[in-house]
Amino acid sequence: GDSVTQMEGPVTLSEEAFLTINCTYTATGYPSLFWYVQYPGEGLQLLLKATKADDKGSNKGFEATYRKETTSFHLEKGSVQVSDSAVYFCALSDKGGADGLTFGKGTHLIIQP
Amino acid sequence: DARVTQTPRHKVTEMGQEVTMRCQPILGHNTVFWYRQTMMQGLELLAYFRNRAPLDDSGMPKDRFSAEMPDATLATLKIQPSEPRDSAVYFCASGLSLLSGYTFGSGTRLTVV
Repeated sequence: GDSVTQMEGPVTLSEEAFLTINCTYTATGYPSLFWYVQYPGEGLQLLLKATKADDKGSNKGFEATYRKETTSFHLEKGSVQVSDSAVYFCALSDKGGADGLTFGKGTHLIIQP
Repeated sequence: DARVTQTPRHKVTEMGQEVTMRCQPILGHNTVFWYRQTMMQGLELLAYFRNRAPLDDSGMPKDRFSAEMPDATLATLKIQPSEPRDSAVYFCASGLSLLSGYTFGSGTRLTVV
């Protein structure tokens, strides 16, 4: 079945550092890929998405590129802020939205001033 | 901003008791999901509905869990009887399509003692 693997953390960085959170996936078809973010005490919200190979999703300074050859969708940001502290989930959908998302276990990111 | 509203936010109950969790999806959203989040398993899809019709509940333990949408403004998840292993955060999410992103509620934190 489909699965998503991501580094579990916690990942602790200083403000203005470069961020990479790795995500790799296993899917039978050609999935759409997503990053969701969960701030403390809140539900998940969509951060960015990519629907086909070589697509780059971007939002709020975060980027991720759909790499079919390495089955990866790593999340990056050039300069993190304290407000980026949250849990980040990589997810995929393999059936055009007919089914729910398959999520990774989440990566807890802590940004220190 | 429109929100998905879940009640109650927290619930502590004794083993064997019935638990009902409620979700008010965003008006106009035709797809509603129930997810369960635990430290060990991460986010698991329990069930989802489209236009109030159940499409998939294969993630739910059928003997004790049930999910319904009595109308477009209310989704319910019921556990009867509850067990300690049901302790988790239960999220409801709604949306129009996968690519527009799903909006999650803040969750119901269930503790079964």
